[in-house]
Amino acid sequence: GQQLNQSPQSMFIQEGEDVSMNCTSSSIFNTWLWYKQDPGEGPVLLIALYKAGELTSNGRLTAQFGITRKDSFLNISASIPSDVGIYFCAGIIQGAQKLVFGQGTRLTINP
Amino acid sequence: GAVVSQHPSWVICKSGTSVKIECRSLDFQATTMFWYRQFPKQSLMLMATSNEGSKATYEQGVEKDKFLINHASLTLSTLTVTSAHPEDSSFYICSASDPSSPSTDTQYFGPGTRLTVL
Repeated sequence: GQQLNQSPQSMFIQEGEDVSMNCTSSSIFNTWLWYKQDPGEGPVLLIALYKAGELTSNGRLTAQFGITRKDSFLNISASIPSDVGIYFCAGIIQGAQKLVFGQGTRLTINP
Repeated sequence: GAVVSQHPSWVICKSGTSVKIECRSLDFQATTMFWYRQFPKQSLMLMATSNEGSKATYEQGVEKDKFLINHASLTLSTLTVTSAHPEDSSFYICSASDPSSPSTDTQYFGPGTRLTVL
């Protein structure tokens, strides 16, 4: 089945640093979604990407839909303590309703 | 917009009893809702896809008779864990797709329900 390879699996950074994570696949996706999940909560949608090459920002977050439609990245600038959590990428293949999830990137910030 | 709620947020039950979890779309009508299960430190695992007014589509390996899903209206889907056992203890999360969003397949998640079976 389709798989998304998300990296890195975990990150330990200092407050104020920039963060970058990405997802790649051998399959082509029509939609890329980035979610953040806090402990004991459901995932919250951060950014949705619908076109190849699309670059979208949401505050300090920026995400891009890769030109090949097989990858996407998420950048967080000037990290703050509330950025701590698990970030998931998810893709939707054309004609499918299901989300294909990455394994998640656990972000830890040292004050 | 696109807010999804779940109830209860946590539940503890005895082995052998049944537990019902509700998922509601609060500010939109969701033609499709999804139920996921998440184990500690893992990604979300899709259990079933639920379309309003029709039978749910279960993923391979998910027991239909164990996890009963009902999607009776455009704003409510329920998951009933029947004859629950300790191995059913998990974090259950629902999601819904908003037909009015740019991508009708974008899913918005509920806050999750922590089920503990004693």
